[in-house]
Amino acid sequence: GAVVSQHPSWVICKSGTSVKIECRSLDFQATTMFWYRQFPKQSLMLMATSNEGSKATYEQGVEKDKFLINHASLTLSTLTVTSAHPEDSSFYICSAEQSGSSLGYTGELFFGEGSRLTVL
Amino acid sequence: QKEVEQNSGPLSVPEGAIASLNCTYSDRGSQSFFWYRQYSGKSPELIMSIYSNGDKEDGRFTAQLNKASQYVSLLIRDSQPSDSATYLCAVNIEEYGNKLVFGAGTILRVKS
Repeated sequence: GAVVSQHPSWVICKSGTSVKIECRSLDFQATTMFWYRQFPKQSLMLMATSNEGSKATYEQGVEKDKFLINHASLTLSTLTVTSAHPEDSSFYICSAEQSGSSLGYTGELFFGEGSRLTVL
Repeated sequence: QKEVEQNSGPLSVPEGAIASLNCTYSDRGSQSFFWYRQYSGKSPELIMSIYSNGDKEDGRFTAQLNKASQYVSLLIRDSQPSDSATYLCAVNIEEYGNKLVFGAGTILRVKS
């Protein structure tokens, strides 16, 4: 399957600082990437849909000014957690949908390794 | 009603047995169905995808889809301790622009 790389895997930061997480599709182009957050023992919660060359679409209840998403190329999307606080500590996971699938929309997503954020 | 429902478990099966994981969904227009496996502290990995009614087999895994009953299941034959993980059912929800919606996951424990 296609490979999605996420960096960093772990990050610890002080409260009030900003943290940037990168998500790259290594061997395919992705016009759409998704950002999820997962708290311990809970399922994935979609935060936003990142579209190459346009603004991200945020899910209800997700603050777009706090979670800045940039999808500047077909292989890279970034999530910046601004002014992070302890309640933002979570496992952030990106996924990508391969562009131009011959089967039309299949919905198959390839996940990055995830980034565990701890805000002190 | 939640869009995608799974029994949280844990489901415990002995090594070598068949593990049966179930998932129901609410959107009759859904066309794509996926099972992901997630080990603790790791991100999900795709195990199976299924788009048509019936069974789809891949090695020890069989996905079963019944659109009329809005039900999708995953069978794991000859379960191994390494299969112990959380299994997430994901369904595309037409109402949400065909975004994938994940169930809460079922914890599977295979005991040796």
